Amino acid sequence: AQSVSQHNHHVILSEAASLELGCNYSYGGTVNLFWYVQYPGQHLQLLLKYFSGDPLVKGIKGFEAEFIKSKFSFNLRKPSVQWSDTAEYFCAVDDYKLSFGAGTTVTVRA
Amino acid sequence: DAMVIQNPRYQVTQFGKPVTLSCSQTLNHNVMYWYQQKSSQAPKLLFHYYDKDFNNEADTPDNFQSRRPNTSFCFLDIRSPGLGDAAMYLCATSRGDRGNEKLFFGSGTQLSVL
Repeated sequence: AQSVSQHNHHVILSEAASLELGCNYSYGGTVNLFWYVQYPGQHLQLLLKYFSGDPLVKGIKGFEAEFIKSKFSFNLRKPSVQWSDTAEYFCAVDDYKLSFGAGTTVTVRA
Repeated sequence: DAMVIQNPRYQVTQFGKPVTLSCSQTLNHNVMYWYQQKSSQAPKLLFHYYDKDFNNEADTPDNFQSRRPNTSFCFLDIRSPGLGDAAMYLCATSRGDRGNEKLFFGSGTQLSVL
């Protein structure tokens, strides 16, 4: 079965700092990769996804992620965070079903 | 406008008392999923329906059942809730196109078991 590891449980940043969240998965075959975000009190929503092609994927709100097949990684980045980026971030991998990582709580201090 | 609606937002039940959580969608999606999410853990897939076809995850306890009477509605029934079943239950939908599986989530139902 697919397993998804997110490296950090809780990240605390100041506004304008850069953010990188790590994600590794276990399956070596063809997979679809996602980052979902859950803002406080809201539902999970898609931030970005990778299916094929350019391994650098642009998402909403200035987020991007890079797929590195040799490292089984799909790390999420944002060059300059805002207070409104405070949320829970989930990496997910889809081979025959969607498997989520445990999530990373990101707190951005004003 | 909400596209995946879960009711209620908070549900309290007693140990062993059956409880039903509901989910409805306005997207006309083929697939509906139920996930269980415990605190600080990943959402865990319990089962899903592809149209009327029910797909149970191997490790989903028999205590959890689901019904999908039509395209729009899907229910999660917990026959005899235990303390360990207290969690957030998330409903999600997708079109069912392999390779384009964007999921749309509801806001979840937080279940407490007393």
